[in-house]
Amino acid sequence: DAGVIQSPRHEVTEMGQEVTLRCKPISGHNSLFWYRQTMMRGLELLIYFNNNVPIDDSGMPEDRFSAKMPNASFSTLKIQPSEPRDSAVYFCASSLAGTSSTQYFGPGTRLTVL
Amino acid sequence: QQQVKQSPQSLIVQKGGISIINCAYENTAFDYFPWYQQFPGKGPALLIAIRPDVSEKKEGRFTISFNKSAKQFSLHIMDSQPGDSATYFCAASIPGSARQLTFGSGTQLTVLP
Repeated sequence: DAGVIQSPRHEVTEMGQEVTLRCKPISGHNSLFWYRQTMMRGLELLIYFNNNVPIDDSGMPEDRFSAKMPNASFSTLKIQPSEPRDSAVYFCASSLAGTSSTQYFGPGTRLTVL
Repeated sequence: QQQVKQSPQSLIVQKGGISIINCAYENTAFDYFPWYQQFPGKGPALLIAIRPDVSEKKEGRFTISFNKSAKQFSLHIMDSQPGDSATYFCAASIPGSARQLTFGSGTQLTVLP
């Protein structure tokens, strides 16, 4: 299995630009999570989906952030407009919902907003 | 109530020593407690997990000790090796279909050769 795939691995952009991060979960998994990791705040859950439906987006920092999951094999996290404080590593994770649902993390996208 | 508090923030251990990382929680609804290991430039990966119906779980050199009454759990790494140098996160989740995890703040472990 290829594991969770994220693209791009690195993104450098200028303040005000739109950024789209992409995630392909493990085939067969029905839950998908987006996290942000920074030194100051650690691992933060931004949003998660179950069966392609957003369940909890309370971690999304503000309206500049949006996430979609149009089908079981693809999700996007979009930031528009981006700001320097959005610089972080963004992880996507997937799991098979159940009694002991291990989350499998992707390699992350390192975002730098200048 | 949803927080998981982790300590220490960083830990330096000599090769062959025992590494101990502690976590505490408040929400008694938590029923699943995994530990994740993260190497630089990689995503976190599940290391070992425990449920509150047992007090200890061991997998190789890694052991979770769980104290339900104190609402604390800890990771012990026996015979620590330089290859164990990584960041360790404890986590907890409540029953539910998607198993949302609440992560601790992480412990950066360095094992000196």
